[in-house]
Formats: sequence, structure tokens, C-alpha cells
Amino acid sequence: DAKTTQPTSMDCAEGRAANLPCNHSTISGNEYVYWYRQIHSQGPQYIIHGLKNNETNEMASLIITEDRKSSTLILPHATLRDTAVYYCIAGSRAGGTSYGKLTFGQGTILTVHP
Amino acid sequence: KAGVTQTPRYLIKTRGQQVTLSCSPISGHRSVSWYQQTPGQGLQFLFEYFSETQRNKGNFPGRFSGRQFSNSRSEMNVSTLELGDSALYLCASSLGTNSGNTIYFGEGSWLTVV
Repeated sequence: DAKTTQPTSMDCAEGRAANLPCNHSTISGNEYVYWYRQIHSQGPQYIIHGLKNNETNEMASLIITEDRKSSTLILPHATLRDTAVYYCIAGSRAGGTSYGKLTFGQGTILTVHP
Repeated sequence: KAGVTQTPRYLIKTRGQQVTLSCSPISGHRSVSWYQQTPGQGLQFLFEYFSETQRNKGNFPGRFSGRQFSNSRSEMNVSTLELGDSALYLCASSLGTNSGNTIYFGEGSWLTVV
């Protein structure tokens, strides 16, 4: 699985958009980009994932650059409950042997302030 | 629909003992993966099962084993427990038929080895 690089921590004001960057310059063409978040003592919560196109769901938007070497997770209106560790993962290679295997890095600690 | 269910949520074991953790995947999901999370190593992939067969394996010693039943429920076992096995053990499930399938995590089982 491709290695991902994320900032260690970020801050965001409540009500503002939170933009979390992720670098995955070694991603291969058939590896997906996944985003999860984890609040202390809980299991990781799925946010969104994509392969090439930008994706949006009720929680967030995922913007993947055209060369797929980086992506940005956007939480449009951050709330205090969005304070968590956010993980960007590149993996689960299409057609390969990586089913169910997500390689987690250290993630970004996002703190949303009132 | 019900999410991924793990039991027990908390347990304490003594060094040298063994432990069995249980996971019930989301209905219809046939892939079950297991992860270990510790403060020092973060989230690490243990193994993945699909249709009762181990399809993928991480870099853990043979003391860590698992199995999957015909109803897709899974168990993992750790024998000869060591203090370093104290961790949050997470189970995740997905359809398992496509590498782009969404992977959902349970709340985990907290294991303390004393």
C-alpha cells in the first residue's frame, strides 16, 4: 500500500470549513484513497473514499488531484463533535491481495474550537 | 441496520492465558478483518477472512489466530498472552467482493494483560 503523509495536527474554528490535506505521491493507479476518523476510545468511523473522481457525501467532500498524488478532505461546517484523529489511507488495491487491509498512519489530530 | 458488533468490550487477562474475541459483521458482509491498536504502534492489520478462508495476513506472530464461521461471524484468539498484547482490538467488515467496498469498524474490544 502507498505511504501517506498528513500534518500532525490542525485547528479549525467551529462553523468554518476544515480542509485536511494528505500526500500519497506513490499511490498506484488502482489504489483507493480512504478517510476515516477516530474519536478517543472508539472504533474508526468511515467518512468517504474515492479512486479518481471527487466524491461527496453527507459528511464530507473528497478532492483528489488529477495526478492522484494528493487529496483533501473537506468538512464543510466543522462542529465541536468533529474533533478527532483523521486518517488518510491509500490501499485496498483493486484486484490485488489487499482486501480488507488498510494501512493506517499516524493521522491528523483535528481540534475544532468554539 | 446493525453495525459491526464486538464482544466482549472490556476484559482483563493474566500473562500466559489465552483470549478469544468475537465479531459479528454487518448483515450481508462476508469479509471480516482484525486490527490491533496500541499507543506505540498505532493501528495494525492482523488478518482478513472471507468465506471462512484467511485471505490476507499481517506481520504478527503465530500466537494470533482467527477463524470465520459459515454465517460470517469471526473470532480471533491470542494464546500465551504477553503484557504487550494489551491493546484495543478492532474488527471491520465489508462485502469483500471488490477492493472499493466500504470497510466499517466496530467499537473494539479492550484487552488488558496483567
